[in-house]
Amino acid sequence: AQTVTQSQPEMSVQEAETVTLSCTYDTSESDYYLFWYKQPPSRQMILVIRQEAYKQQNATENRFSVNFQKAAKSFSLKISDSQLGDAAMYFCASHGAGNMLTFGGGTRLMVKP
Amino acid sequence: DAGVTQSPTHLIKTRGQHVTLRCSPISGHKSVSWYQQVLGQGPQFIFQYYEKEERGRGNFPDRFSARQFPNYSSELNVNALLLGDSALYLCASSLGPISNQPQHFGDGTRLSIL
Repeated sequence: AQTVTQSQPEMSVQEAETVTLSCTYDTSESDYYLFWYKQPPSRQMILVIRQEAYKQQNATENRFSVNFQKAAKSFSLKISDSQLGDAAMYFCASHGAGNMLTFGGGTRLMVKP
Repeated sequence: DAGVTQSPTHLIKTRGQHVTLRCSPISGHKSVSWYQQVLGQGPQFIFQYYEKEERGRGNFPDRFSARQFPNYSSELNVNALLLGDSALYLCASSLGPISNQPQHFGDGTRLSIL
């Protein structure tokens, strides 16, 4: 079974600053994928970034990047130059065998102007 | 191209009733997954269907069932509704069932049980 833990229920960041959201996971799979999803109040779950576990290079997507530490089973999300539109719930998720995404409990990110 | 569409947007039911939720995947996507998201929690996996066959099932009672049609759209059915079934039900589609194909989510159906 896979588990995903997000230890920060809420985080806040000043506009234009950088924030890091934490995520740890546990899996017995050797081949798996990790994702960060953003869920604004509009409810739709939006894919932010994904990481293949077999790749050592950390994924980046514009202002979003991850710090993937496979041995530590850690997968944090860094948001640079935070914008007001980044305010949302952020969910870390793993996808391995069993054809399912396992989500963490989420982190609410607030962006202060 | 249209994204994943779900209907209805909101639904109010009473305990003991039955409900059917519908999902249309992105064009070309053959896999549909269903998730339940209780308020304040992360989504929980319910089912995955691919080519009309069930490919995965989460830890949900038999009151929950689903099916996928030849056009790859899907229905989620819940019988004998309980208060605890109140949640946002999310549908996600992907090209196929394997883990390297990211899932794209719809806006969800908000189900309230009175």
